[in-house]
Amino acid sequence: DSGVTQTPKHLITATGQRVTLRCSPRSGDLSVYWYQQSLDQGLQFLIQYYNGEERAKGNILERFSAQQFPDLHSELNLSSLELGDSALYFCASSVMDRGNTEAFFGQGTRLTVV
Amino acid sequence: GENVEQHPSTLSVQEGDSAVIKCTYSDSASNYFPWYKQELGKRPQLIIDIRSNVGEKKDQRIAVTLNKTAKHFSLHITETQPEDSAVYFCAARRSGGSYIPTFGRGTSLIVHP
Repeated sequence: DSGVTQTPKHLITATGQRVTLRCSPRSGDLSVYWYQQSLDQGLQFLIQYYNGEERAKGNILERFSAQQFPDLHSELNLSSLELGDSALYFCASSVMDRGNTEAFFGQGTRLTVV
Repeated sequence: GENVEQHPSTLSVQEGDSAVIKCTYSDSASNYFPWYKQELGKRPQLIIDIRSNVGEKKDQRIAVTLNKTAKHFSLHITETQPEDSAVYFCAARRSGGSYIPTFGRGTSLIVHP
């Protein structure tokens, strides 16, 4: 167990809908990263938060948004869902937003858009 | 930004053989290089990492080498076992400023008994 908790584990929804994925980082970790992993694809970086503030953005669609709350948990909001959004979404956390610190991954949320 | 290339995409070996996965990176400021193992349907887990102040690091059957001049690093697995079968990701990141770990596309390692 990495200490990073993601909910839900599985999510099935229809096109056009909106969903929220939740991530609780390891205790003491201030930085949260969101990644998308599609079938046979690598880990595509979406967005990073550090202590409540957005720190870096990757290839995140405008239909997607995220935030990190004062208690450091993070939510990834996916709207106007398309079939191509079906993927495994990982959250990772680390102590800092820089330096040689390990990123710990949650178990992921498998999103299926039908 | 950083770009990490990983090869091969698929690697098939017989049990007991060695496996080598290679990665190159583009950002010369990168100084931390972790390797993650992802078993089917599970989360990526760190298996070994190397920092830029060393050229090689070993942990039992796995080792990582780093050539900063050439900007490439490699994962070596000796005496492979079926449970080594997984997807392996390399990553590169740098300290200072706003940065994120950039991952390679992954190598699917298959170890045949």
